[in-house]
Amino acid sequence: VQMTQSPSYLAASPGESVSISCKASKSISNNLAWYQEKPGKANKLLIHSGSTLQSGTPSRFSGSGSGTDFTLTIRSLESEDFAVYYCQQYNEYPPTFGAGTKLELK
Amino acid sequence: QVRLKESGPRLVQPSQTLSVTCTVSGFSVTSYHVSWVRQPPGKGLEWVGAIWKGGSTDYNSALKSRLSISRDTSKNQVFLKMNSLQTDDTGTYYCAKHRSFLGPLFDYWGQGVMVTVSS
Repeated sequence: VQMTQSPSYLAASPGESVSISCKASKSISNNLAWYQEKPGKANKLLIHSGSTLQSGTPSRFSGSGSGTDFTLTIRSLESEDFAVYYCQQYNEYPPTFGAGTKLELK
Repeated sequence: QVRLKESGPRLVQPSQTLSVTCTVSGFSVTSYHVSWVRQPPGKGLEWVGAIWKGGSTDYNSALKSRLSISRDTSKNQVFLKMNSLQTDDTGTYYCAKHRSFLGPLFDYWGQGVMVTVSS
């Protein structure tokens, strides 16, 4: 399953809201996860099942979608949110990832 | 507290074998599946393979002929071996714990080990 993530880069300011899109090449039901990558830290699972927040994920993060189209939204950006975000399908093996979205400070 | 930590050589010569160890704590490798994922510099994440909690394995079909994943349950360690390395095997290698047996959803990752394939 090919995962197409957009945009590749996103510049925003603290307090703003942003959205990241992820499209699967075929239906993956709601078996979609979002991860956050920061330098020197382990990747962090933010959301699974398309919209379920992993324990410890702040409520300003939300996920939506099912089938082939998914969206990660971050409301009221905080400084710690500037990172790289990946989507991943786990509906079937091999699991596949989007190419990533780098969220930068404007 | 769940932790995974990769260790291994930072530099490997072409055609040689890569050996990376994932040492886990906070859970048992006999209770949860563990996968390996790699990331070439500036590129996306690629699933390499997994070892199930029962000990059997599954590999990325593109890498299968060069791969071996095993474990030492007494030390709670998982091992990745990849032979016939080429320069495009350069990248960061991560181990990751599966959240449950339901699918390859990873709730904890190691920080990764950066491996360069070069002479």
